[in-house]
Amino acid sequence: DGGITQSPKYLFRKEGQNVTLSCEQNLNHDAMYWYRQDPGQGLRLIYYSQIVNDFQKGDIAEGYSVSREKKESFPLTVTSAQKNPTAFYLCASAGQGMGYGYTFGSGTRLTVV
Amino acid sequence: AQSVTQPDIHITVSEGASLELRCNYSYGATPYLFWYVQSPGQGLQLLLKYFSGDTLVQGIKGFEAEFKRSQSSFNLRKPSVHWSDAAEYFCAVGGENFNKFYFGSGTKLNVKP
Repeated sequence: DGGITQSPKYLFRKEGQNVTLSCEQNLNHDAMYWYRQDPGQGLRLIYYSQIVNDFQKGDIAEGYSVSREKKESFPLTVTSAQKNPTAFYLCASAGQGMGYGYTFGSGTRLTVV
Repeated sequence: AQSVTQPDIHITVSEGASLELRCNYSYGATPYLFWYVQSPGQGLQLLLKYFSGDTLVQGIKGFEAEFKRSQSSFNLRKPSVHWSDAAEYFCAVGGENFNKFYFGSGTKLNVKP
């Protein structure tokens, strides 16, 4: 079955560490997105990519980085510059024609220890 | 500017009662509108979508939504709520000329037995 796989489901980061969250899709979707979710704040867009080797900052890109070397993969790195990284991170993809909406992964919960 | 407002942060209804979740949007063109549902610790699942045609759309799990252009609203309804409907619900707006969706801050639904 086609879908989006996020890994790991839970991730713990020490102060000063960079961590990378994985997002892989086999839907042949062109566009991929990373959102951060905090209680009471809904979904906030971090980065998005519409084609391979190209990506754009979203509303809260500071302290994060991404790459899009393959159509199927869009990893997110949470750098030590992100001062409050504890959150639930959601990856999504969309095919041609935005009318179909997003398909979401099941999320990664990142906690700073 | 594009935005989505979900005025109710929490709603509690009794099992078997009817439900209406409100969504108002601001969008400069013909909108694509979506409702998603999220169970705790999970990704978002698409309930229904609207982008043209009949303004009353049916979705999964017995949900429906009505698009009212004059009121810039896309309210979600269900005639009889089940305990399993307890979750958080997100409204989203986007369009063919845009490459990302805008989400509301969500409404948490509690269902009383």
